Amino acid sequence: NAGVTQTPKFRILKIGQSMTLQCTQDMNHNYMYWYRQDPGMGLKLIYYSVGAGITDKGEVPNGYNVSRSTTEDFPLRLELAAPSQTSVYFCASSYSSGQGRASDTQYFGPGTRLTVL
Amino acid sequence: KQEVTQIPAALSVPEGENLVLNCSFTDSAIYNLQWFRQDPGKGLTSLLLIQSSQREQTSGRLNASLDKSSGRSTLYIAASQPGDSATYLCAVRRGGADGLTFGKGTHLIIQP
Repeated sequence: NAGVTQTPKFRILKIGQSMTLQCTQDMNHNYMYWYRQDPGMGLKLIYYSVGAGITDKGEVPNGYNVSRSTTEDFPLRLELAAPSQTSVYFCASSYSSGQGRASDTQYFGPGTRLTVL
Repeated sequence: KQEVTQIPAALSVPEGENLVLNCSFTDSAIYNLQWFRQDPGKGLTSLLLIQSSQREQTSGRLNASLDKSSGRSTLYIAASQPGDSATYLCAVRRGGADGLTFGKGTHLIIQP
């Protein structure tokens, strides 16, 4: 049981380049999340998903896109990288009982450290 | 908009001391509160989750309390050890499918 895995661990992008951050969970969790963490700051929610085919914006969605075609995978896409997107990106997942509420612990991946130059 | 504040921002204590980390939030309408530990360059490890209907949760040397009406939570660490050195993050969930709103964390150093 690997939990939440993220690839790559590190990446350097040039301004204007695109990339996809991968996130996979093997816990059969239906809820998945993307956060970013800037130095000395708490995490901020970018996007989240309550199930395959359903995604919604979080606090800081601009410059990012997501998709959720399977329960296990929740990739985050950066289309035109900007220096302001230099950050550490964390994916997380949790389980909902199916009553429209996510009540359980969120489990986090190890993060992807992204630098945009 | 929910805001989460953690005090102190940094704390350094000798090994063996009991200590308290504080977390406050501006909107008391939360569904649950979660405490995490983050080691340098690593992901987050969940320590304790308290549902809004609960007053406290315990795990080993850790005890977390929740006073929802006053918008406060504390994390109590008993008999601190050097291995407890890390950044501790507090986060609240408003409800439904919402993500977590995080504080900036308390950077804790336990001196051997």
